[in-house]
Amino acid sequence: DAMVIQNPRYQVTQFGKPVTLSCSQTLNHNVMYWYQQKSSQAPKLLFHYYDKDFNNEADTPDNFQSRRPNTSFCFLDIRSPGLGDAAMYLCATSRDLASSYNEQFFGPGTRLTVL
Amino acid sequence: GNSVTQMEGPVTLSEEAFLTINCTYTATGYPSLFWYVQYPGEGLQLLLKATKADDKGSNKGFEATYRKETTSFHLEKGSVQVSDSAVYFCALRENSNFGNEKLTFGTGTRLTIIP
Repeated sequence: DAMVIQNPRYQVTQFGKPVTLSCSQTLNHNVMYWYQQKSSQAPKLLFHYYDKDFNNEADTPDNFQSRRPNTSFCFLDIRSPGLGDAAMYLCATSRDLASSYNEQFFGPGTRLTVL
Repeated sequence: GNSVTQMEGPVTLSEEAFLTINCTYTATGYPSLFWYVQYPGEGLQLLLKATKADDKGSNKGFEATYRKETTSFHLEKGSVQVSDSAVYFCALRENSNFGNEKLTFGTGTRLTIIP
């Protein structure tokens, strides 16, 4: 089945130690998104890639970076995780950006713990 | 800017009870409206959507009607099951010709159904 896969499902890192979260998709979608979801809060968009074009949200901290080496994979890099970065990180894809009928497909998320 | 307001949870109901989760929105244009569901340990799944005023989205016994006059998109189900226990997110997306249409989520409503 076509899907969005996130690895690992649970990640523990130390304060200040760089960490990378992974997302892959078999949908061949053009757009890949990263969201941060803190406990009992709405998902917050960090950035997205349209093909190779990177689009950062204005309020995303510089500590968060992303890479998309090919259509299928997208990585979230947190350069120096702080305690406030502990959250669920959701990856999503969509076929395109525009269109009222476009749907975002979400992965299961990676829960990040910062010690 | 755009915003989505959901009724605060948690909501606890008995099996076969009637469910309503309120959602109202603020948008500058004419958005599409969505309900997403997040089951424990999983990512978000699109439950239903409506793209214009008076449209009714429906899926798995859930329904929501796009009410422009009251800027609302309340989620309803006539008879809930234990398997409906999850967190429900209302969301909107502006429709434009410019692309880059972001989802704006509400804070989510946790629903627990007891046998």
